[in-house]
Amino acid sequence: SQQGEEDPQALSIQEGENATMNCSYKTSINNLQWYRQNSGRGLVHLILIRSNEREKHSGRLRVTLDTSKKSSSLLITASRAADTASYFCATVLTGANSKLTFGKGITLSVRP
Amino acid sequence: KAGVTQTPRYLIKTRGQQVTLSCSPISGHRSVSWYQQTPGQGLQFLFEYFSETQRNKGNFPGRFSGRQFSNSRSEMNVSTLELGDSALYLCASSPTGAHSGANVLTFGAGSRLTVL
Repeated sequence: SQQGEEDPQALSIQEGENATMNCSYKTSINNLQWYRQNSGRGLVHLILIRSNEREKHSGRLRVTLDTSKKSSSLLITASRAADTASYFCATVLTGANSKLTFGKGITLSVRP
Repeated sequence: KAGVTQTPRYLIKTRGQQVTLSCSPISGHRSVSWYQQTPGQGLQFLFEYFSETQRNKGNFPGRFSGRQFSNSRSEMNVSTLELGDSALYLCASSPTGAHSGANVLTFGAGSRLTVL
């Protein structure tokens, strides 16, 4: 079963708008990561947030983590057509030898 | 610095055949993980190798196997292929593994397998 579940499943916005994607998970985590995948390609790491952090920024990306609600959000500001891709949240559970578990992803379309 | 290299990029097989996929990690990375990606199931973890040992395993049948060599290169093998094995197989490397502190995975472009 999936540890992380993203919401919405698909998102379509106009260039210049902000895109907000959410991820919920079920059990305690060590860290949570967001990845992007362009059509049929490998995943690219975007940002990592540790369980003791609440917010992180990287360029136009802002990630928040609420461990009490077991949820995270990824905000992309001033979106561009090149941001069109699938976005995945992934969690690393606490404990040794824990693997990175991915959600099913969000398809973001940014219209020029 | 070269990225993660997967070969072949595309392949077509028929049911009952077997296939071997190869992954060369980033130089210095000792952990290699494999994932299967399908439209219906998303990204499913297959296994992770570290220093030639399988350290973690997902819920796949024994037809799926892998190994890692002393130079950290890894191969995965699927025997007796089924139609449902059609997928994008992704390899990812990291210095010591996803669970270790703040390690992230660097993915290859994937091997797209079609089973007819």
